[in-house]
Amino acid sequence: DGGITQSPKYLFRKEGQNVTLSCEQNLNHDAMYWYRQDPGQGLRLIYYSQIVNDFQKGDIAEGYSVSREKKESFPLTVTSAQKNPTAFYLCASSTQRGQRYEKLFFGSGTQLSVL
Amino acid sequence: AQTVTQSQPEMSVQEAETVTLSCTYDTSESDYYLFWYKQPPSRQMILVIRQEAYKQQNATENRFSVNFQKAAKSFSLKISDSQLGDAAMYFCAYGVGIQGAQKLVFGQGTRLTINP
Repeated sequence: DGGITQSPKYLFRKEGQNVTLSCEQNLNHDAMYWYRQDPGQGLRLIYYSQIVNDFQKGDIAEGYSVSREKKESFPLTVTSAQKNPTAFYLCASSTQRGQRYEKLFFGSGTQLSVL
Repeated sequence: AQTVTQSQPEMSVQEAETVTLSCTYDTSESDYYLFWYKQPPSRQMILVIRQEAYKQQNATENRFSVNFQKAAKSFSLKISDSQLGDAAMYFCAYGVGIQGAQKLVFGQGTRLTINP
């Protein structure tokens, strides 16, 4: 079945450590996204990528980095510069049909906590 | 900047009754998309219903329907014949296309409880 796979489901970060969250999709979608969700809050966009080898900052990109070397993969690195990384991270993908955009498909998320 | 406001942090309804969740948004764009997503305790984001702004007809999906008032920038969700499985956080979202990607802005969410 086509879908988006995020791993790991739970991740713990030590002080000063960089950690990488994985996101893989087999939907053949061009666009991929990373969102952050804090408890009781809506989702906020961190980064998005419209095509391989290109990506754009979202609304809260500071302290995060991404890469898009393959169409299927869009990993997110939470760097030590992100001082409040504890949150639920959701990856998503989407495609276009002509001039219209299709819905976003979401992964099942990664919960990141600070030790 | 675009903003999405959900003014009801929590709502509750009796099973089999009807409930309406409110959402307003602010934008200067003319072409955009509106969504309602459901997030159950599993935290999986599930699309409930989607509306394209250029379409005047309100979207419906089985027991779910929207009241889209473009001039008022309002996009409410009506759930008919509420079921226990409808209990979840509901997020309203506004989206615009940007060269192949779709940027979504989410509201703060409404927690819906279904009373048996």
